[in-house]
Amino acid sequence: GQQVMQIPQYQHVQEGEDFTTYCNSSTTLSNIQWYKQRPGGHPVFLIQLVKSGEVKKQKRLTFQFGEAKKNSSLHITATQTTDVGTYFCAGKHDTDKLIFGTGTRLQVFP
Amino acid sequence: DGGITQSPKYLFRKEGQNVTLSCEQNLNHDAMYWYRQDPGQGLRLIYYSQIVNDFQKGDIAEGYSVSREKKESFPLTVTSAQKNPTAFYLCASSIGGGIEQYFGPGTRLTVT
Repeated sequence: GQQVMQIPQYQHVQEGEDFTTYCNSSTTLSNIQWYKQRPGGHPVFLIQLVKSGEVKKQKRLTFQFGEAKKNSSLHITATQTTDVGTYFCAGKHDTDKLIFGTGTRLQVFP
Repeated sequence: DGGITQSPKYLFRKEGQNVTLSCEQNLNHDAMYWYRQDPGQGLRLIYYSQIVNDFQKGDIAEGYSVSREKKESFPLTVTSAQKNPTAFYLCASSIGGGIEQYFGPGTRLTVT
């Protein structure tokens, strides 16, 4: 079936270091979305990418959608303690469902 | 104050009992979803509904049931047939399928 894998599963960084999480789909995606879930909270939508090779930035966050529309990445520059949480990608295939990735849990040490 | 609400926040039940989780939204969204999240895991889709009076099974529908009688409401019943019901249940809504989803605060269900 359709799957979306994310790596790494966990990442611990020192405050100020960069962080990247990668998302890979077994099939071509119509779009990909990224969500952040703070500890004890619920997922919150960050961004949606639609076009092949698209790059979007939100302050220190950079999102990329691969040329083949099968992979994506989220890069955080100079992490802060407020970046702590689990980051999920979610891909839309040819149905109206989103397939969520397994998530990457980010821990930032001050 | 628009949003999506779930109640209760915490729910405790004895094994063998059915339990219904509430999900209400006032965002005028057509699509609603139920996900299950286990500790350290991603989100798995239980059921979804694109329109009133219609819903489809997700990836892990066994042991669950839903209804969509009103646009604003999408309750989930966890039946006694669900083998491992203890989990964090998240409801979400969106304008349409595959569009950004808005999540409720979730219900943590513990069955003993």
